[in-house]
This record gives sequence, structure tokens and C-alpha cells, in this order.
Amino acid sequence: KQEVTQIPAALSVPEGENLVLNCSFTDSAIYNLQWFRQDPGKGLTSLLLIQSSQREQTSGRLNASLDKSSGRSTLYIAASQPGDSATYLCAVGPFGFNKFYFGSGTKLNVKP
Amino acid sequence: SQTIHQWPATLVQPVGSPLSLECTVEGTSNPNLYWYRQAAGRGLQLLFYSVGIGQISSEVPQNLSASRPQDRQFILSSKKLLLSDSGFYLCAWSRQSAGTEAFFGQGTRLTVV
Repeated sequence: KQEVTQIPAALSVPEGENLVLNCSFTDSAIYNLQWFRQDPGKGLTSLLLIQSSQREQTSGRLNASLDKSSGRSTLYIAASQPGDSATYLCAVGPFGFNKFYFGSGTKLNVKP
Repeated sequence: SQTIHQWPATLVQPVGSPLSLECTVEGTSNPNLYWYRQAAGRGLQLLFYSVGIGQISSEVPQNLSASRPQDRQFILSSKKLLLSDSGFYLCAWSRQSAGTEAFFGQGTRLTVV
């Protein structure tokens, strides 16, 4: 079974810093990897989707990379803002199955 | 555009009572549908997924069941709730094609007392 790990579990940074969130998975046979944002008590908002054939995806200040062979993905957030404070989750879609396995998330706090 | 609705937003139920949570998707047809649970301080656990009407796959044995009576309707149920059923329940959908994006509802906070 696919295991997804996110490091660090929590991160506190001053506003304006660039930061990297990490996601690792045990089985490299995946269809895709998706990054989500979750605000307290809310559902998940999709940030970026990377297909297994892709190396990276960018949206605004966010850049996600995928190294399938090593089982790793990173989410890079440039020039962090207090509004970026949330929990960030990565999810892996295994090859051949229409379902997603999640990491436990990184809780980000950006201080003004 | 596609939207996903989940209700109720919050629910407090006594132990032993039944449960019915509903999820509907608009703006697409024949979606894959999912129920996840998020326990406090833990990641999302996939409970059930469905690739079509009446087709339900269960990921973990538990006190819950799921049904898909219509193409875009997914229901999570229990006959008798346990304290351990408390958590944040999230419904999601994706297109049938493998490797597509997943979209989530706003969740239901269930507290069993």
C-alpha cells in the first residue's frame, strides 16, 4: 500500500520568506500527485496537479516539482504572505486506481 | 463549471443513533466519488470510493457504509454511531479518466456524544 509522508509537520516563518514543503511516497508507480491547501475547519482547495510524466507545475507564487523515481515532491512557495497560513496536503494517485492517498500535512504559519 | 455540495456542515449525534451524510456533484456526469475521514491531528483516510451507480469499494472495515443511488449522489451512512466515528468527513469527486484532479466539498464536522 502507498505510504505518503510530509515533512515538516509544522513550519513557522516570517512574512516574505521563500519556503519548501516536502512530500515523499513509497511506491513510484503513480498517475499523478496533487497539492492541496486546507484552512481550519474547511474542505480542501486544489493548488497544483502534476501528472506522472511531468517534472513540475507552476501557479503564481507556487511551484511543485515531482521526482517519481525517488518518490519525492516539493512545493515551493515564493515570498510567503500571512494569507498563505494553512495546512498543505499532498496526495498521490496510484497507477491503475482511481483513488488518492494523502500525507498528514504540513501546517504553515506565516507571521506578519 | 462543476460544483460539489456536502451537508450538513456540522452534526452532533448521540452514540447509537443513525447517520446519513449526503454529497452531490453538479456540472459533470459519471464522476468517481469518494468519502474521506480526517481525524484530529491525522491525515485523510479514504473510506469509500465509487466508479458508478451502485458500485462501492470499501477501503477499511468499519461501522460505516456508503451508497450511490444516483450518478451524482453519494451517501455515507451508519445504523449505530460510535464515539470513534467522530471526525471531519469530506466528499470528493474526480473524472473517470485516471490521473485526473480531485475536487473536495467543504466537509461535515461530526461529533458523536
